[in-house]
Amino acid sequence: GAVVSQHPSRVICKSGTSVKIECRSLDFQATTMFWYRQFPKQSLMLMATSNEGSKATYEQGVEKDKFLINHASLTLSTLTVTSAHPEDSSFYICSASDSGVTGELFFGEGSRLTVL
Amino acid sequence: QQQVKQSPQSLIVQKGGISIINCAYENTAFDYFPWYQQFPGKGPALLIAIRPDVSEKKEGRFTISFNKSAKQFSLHIMDSQPGDSATYFCAAPSPGGNDYKLSFGAGTTVTVRA
Repeated sequence: GAVVSQHPSRVICKSGTSVKIECRSLDFQATTMFWYRQFPKQSLMLMATSNEGSKATYEQGVEKDKFLINHASLTLSTLTVTSAHPEDSSFYICSASDSGVTGELFFGEGSRLTVL
Repeated sequence: QQQVKQSPQSLIVQKGGISIINCAYENTAFDYFPWYQQFPGKGPALLIAIRPDVSEKKEGRFTISFNKSAKQFSLHIMDSQPGDSATYFCAAPSPGGNDYKLSFGAGTTVTVRA
């Protein structure tokens, strides 16, 4: 299947700093990517839909000023957690579709954020 | 997001046994029901999916059964192996969303004992 790469896989930062997570589709173009958040032993919660060349669409309850999403190209979306606090510590996962080639949704390996 | 109800929360099965996980959905824009497998510390990986012009799809030891009238679908893992021990998530397209905006079930942790 198609490959989606996330970087970094783990990041530890101090409270108040900002952290950027990258999501890349390695062998296909993705006009739409999705960002999820997952707490331990819980399901994936959709945070936002990232659209290439336009603003992201955020789910209800997700602070758009806290979680900045940029989808600058057909192969790259970034999530920036601004002024991170311990409660932002979580597993962040991106996904992308291959725009109908297979009709499937492919996930990255996830990024573990720990805010001290 | 639509609600996708998944059960059981966890199950333990002996090697060689059958694991069965059930999901029910409320509404969906169209019929596409994937199952994802997730190992600890890793992202979910697509295991098997059904686009129900058929009521059942089988890939190796994994089978999806779909009941459109009941709005239910299930995953059967035949001849369960210790390597199948993982968390499994069902998903369904969110109403009004595009092809790939999925709502996930709560997950089922499967433990296969040797």
